[in-house]
Amino acid sequence: EAGVTQSPTHLIKTRGQQATLRCSPISGHTSVYWYQQALGLGLQFLLWYDEGEERNRGNFPPRFSGRQFPNYSSELNVNALELEDSALYLCASSPTRSFTDTQYFGPGTRLTVL
Amino acid sequence: AQSVTQLDSHVSVSEGTPVLLRCNYSSSYSPSLFWYVQHPNKGLQLLLKYTSAATLVKGINGFEAEFKKSETSFHLTKPSAHMSDAAEYFCVVRGRDYKLSFGAGTTVTVRA
Repeated sequence: EAGVTQSPTHLIKTRGQQATLRCSPISGHTSVYWYQQALGLGLQFLLWYDEGEERNRGNFPPRFSGRQFPNYSSELNVNALELEDSALYLCASSPTRSFTDTQYFGPGTRLTVL
Repeated sequence: AQSVTQLDSHVSVSEGTPVLLRCNYSSSYSPSLFWYVQHPNKGLQLLLKYTSAATLVKGINGFEAEFKKSETSFHLTKPSAHMSDAAEYFCVVRGRDYKLSFGAGTTVTVRA
């Protein structure tokens, strides 16, 4: 069974640009989560999508947004990039939105903002 | 809201000796608790999870954790460390808002 996949592996942008990160969940999983792992800030919850709808978001500004497609894959968009957006962005999926479901993580996309 | 405190930022052990990673949690409800491991330049891998069944949870690679409600702890142990255990470990709590809250992480170094 294929795991969670993310693309691209690395992404380099300049300040003010937009970045788009993609995630494909494990087959059959309907929930997708996004996390940011920034140096010195640890892992922080960004967004949660389930069945095509945004279910919850973390304490991030509106320039962080995303969507989930009918095939349950997801996209994270970061507009007006700032230097502090440089981080590893992790995507996870779970079979359902059950409270006890395990989240399975992808390898991440390393975003560097210059 | 829920939160997690990992009591050690760095743990160093000799190969073959026990490993103990300490985690305390705070949650308004009965939480789901997880331990994940992250090897360098890799994603997060689930070691084990607690979801209100048995309080002693066995995971992969010989790890286990004990849920102690009275102490609000969920410490991770392994009887005998292996070189491949060198990694960063995260204690995670999931509350009723479905968000995962991560601890700051514990870096494990294994000495030969």
